[in-house]
Amino acid sequence: ETGVTQSPTHLIKTRGQQVTLRCSSQSGHNTVSWYQQALGQGPQFIFQYYREEENGRGNFPPRFSGLQFPNYSSELNVNALELDDSALYLCASRVLAGVGDTQYFGPGTRLTVL
Amino acid sequence: GDSVTQMEGPVTLSEEAFLTINCTYTATGYPSLFWYVQYPGEGLQLLLKATKADDKGSNKGFEATYRKETTSFHLEKGSVQVSDSAVYFCAPGGSGNTPLVFGKGTRLSVIA
Repeated sequence: ETGVTQSPTHLIKTRGQQVTLRCSSQSGHNTVSWYQQALGQGPQFIFQYYREEENGRGNFPPRFSGLQFPNYSSELNVNALELDDSALYLCASRVLAGVGDTQYFGPGTRLTVL
Repeated sequence: GDSVTQMEGPVTLSEEAFLTINCTYTATGYPSLFWYVQYPGEGLQLLLKATKADDKGSNKGFEATYRKETTSFHLEKGSVQVSDSAVYFCAPGGSGNTPLVFGKGTRLSVIA
């Protein structure tokens, strides 16, 4: 148990739709990162939020956006869904304090785009 | 950018066999190094980590040593169990604004 939860567990959408995924971090964790894990691949970094502001982004288009709230929850929004967006989406939270910060992952949301 | 190379799986071992999963990385600066494990249908769990050269991370019988000169962080376990069957990810980074960088992972299957 990492204390990080995600909802929903599974989601099915159709191409062109929009989706919002949610993450609840451990209390006190000021940083949340989102990763996309395609089937059979390792997680790929989407972006990171620190104290409610984006402070790092991977190679993902602007239709991937996020929010972080003061109550340690966060969202990942994806607009204009494409078939290749089908993946497991993982959030990870931590206290951004310096070297060796441990990121604690949630169980993920499995998104299927038809 | 940072990258990691892990041995391709799947790796199939008999129970009580010795395990080595090789991991080498390229990174700017001086990253922390992590091993995460993913059981079927679950998210990632931290297995162990090391933050500086020659540090040895260990947990649940698994060990890995931060080798700066060879940019490696190989995972070892002396005697694997069926319950160790999972996918293992080596990942440099994770400090400050630097994200974790994952390879494709190595799938381990342990048979009784």
